Amino acid sequence: DIQMTQSPSSLSASVGDRVTITCQASQDISNSLNWYQQKPGKAPKLMIYDKSKLESGVPSRFRGSGSGTDFTFTINGLQPEDIATYYCQQWDDLPWTFGQGTKLEIK
Amino acid sequence: QVQLVQSGAEVKKPGASVKVSCRASGYTFSNSAMHWVRQAPGQRLEWMGWINAGGGYTRYLEKFQGRVSFTRDTSANVVYMELSSLTSEDTAVYYCAKVRGGAYDHWGQGTLVTVSS
Repeated sequence: DIQMTQSPSSLSASVGDRVTITCQASQDISNSLNWYQQKPGKAPKLMIYDKSKLESGVPSRFRGSGSGTDFTFTINGLQPEDIATYYCQQWDDLPWTFGQGTKLEIK
Repeated sequence: QVQLVQSGAEVKKPGASVKVSCRASGYTFSNSAMHWVRQAPGQRLEWMGWINAGGGYTRYLEKFQGRVSFTRDTSANVVYMELSSLTSEDTAVYYCAKVRGGAYDHWGQGTLVTVSS
């Protein structure tokens, strides 16, 4: 199985900050990488798919990049409503697997 | 608009089985696949498997083989996930999720399954 490792596990930032989360795959997954936002008690929400494509309705301050084994999720100008846990997910090979999550808090 | 509506929370005793439903609307049910993903308390999301809503083909995560079954009712646009021989480690929120390419573009609201004696 492909292992997905996110860092950091938690992050505290101020409103307006640029926030960066990384995700590393245990093998090359090309561009087969998605990012989700999950708020407490809610289902995950797709934010970025295929490494860097912005899901419809998602604000442009969210960005994804990377390739191969190393990927980055960036929020440019953190907003209070961005407080959530973020997960990466690979779909290069079954079983599809997720990172352990990054919990984002406001400083 | 696409909606996935799951059945309500369940409390089960160890060794029992649970069956969770996921009713889909707003898209062509038979043209898509539905995946099941679970999330134990404080844990990462875990893919359980998927079912082709049209043909009924299924694929399960190896750790659940023999213990999980996905079925569908195409007349009602519903998919089911049944998990047997429950233990406390199966306590989790279970999600159905619709796939678009390799991404989950819509999710059910989640069904909490609690396994407790």
